[in-house]
Amino acid sequence: DSGVTQTPKHLITATGQRVTLRCSPRSGDLSVYWYQQSLDQGLQFLIQYYNGEERAKGNILERFSAQQFPDLHSELNLSSLELGDSALYFCASSVGWGGYNEQFFGPGTRLTVL
Amino acid sequence: QQPVQSPQAVILREGEDAVINCSSSKALYSVHWYRQKHGEAPVFLMILLKGGEQKGHEKISASFNEKKQQSSLYLTASQLSYSGTYFCGTEEPGFQKLVFGTGTRLLVSP
Repeated sequence: DSGVTQTPKHLITATGQRVTLRCSPRSGDLSVYWYQQSLDQGLQFLIQYYNGEERAKGNILERFSAQQFPDLHSELNLSSLELGDSALYFCASSVGWGGYNEQFFGPGTRLTVL
Repeated sequence: QQPVQSPQAVILREGEDAVINCSSSKALYSVHWYRQKHGEAPVFLMILLKGGEQKGHEKISASFNEKKQQSSLYLTASQLSYSGTYFCGTEEPGFQKLVFGTGTRLLVSP
């Protein structure tokens, strides 16, 4: 158990809908990262927050948005969902930001868009 | 720029050794290694920084050739528990984000 929690574990929804994925980092970690992993694919970096501020952005679609709240939990909002958005979404956390910080991954949220 | 991992897959017998490589066309600040078992979250193995500093699990060893932008992960005396997909993540100076390779699948059989 990494100490990172993600809810829900599974999400099934229809195209065009909007969903919110939630992540709580490990106690003491200030950075939160979001990744997308499609079937048999690698980890695609979406976005990173550090202590409430956006620090780095990857290939995150305009339909996707995220934020980190004062209590450091983070939410990833996915809207106008398409079939291709079906994937495993991981949240990770680390103490700081930058290359010397190992990331601890949550168990993931499996999103299925029908 | 996504790093390239090789080999794509490897099958070992318990006790054998393996090397997994990670190569980038860009100058790197750090290389991270993670292992992911099927249906589970990736787990941190090691970080290697430009300049030689590294941290990670005692039983894992890796190298980072800054001039060639290459890193290698060395798995010695493999155990069944080593099975999984190994990902390297590379960070370019100033970018503060990891770009992960497509992974190397390792299967260790009895």
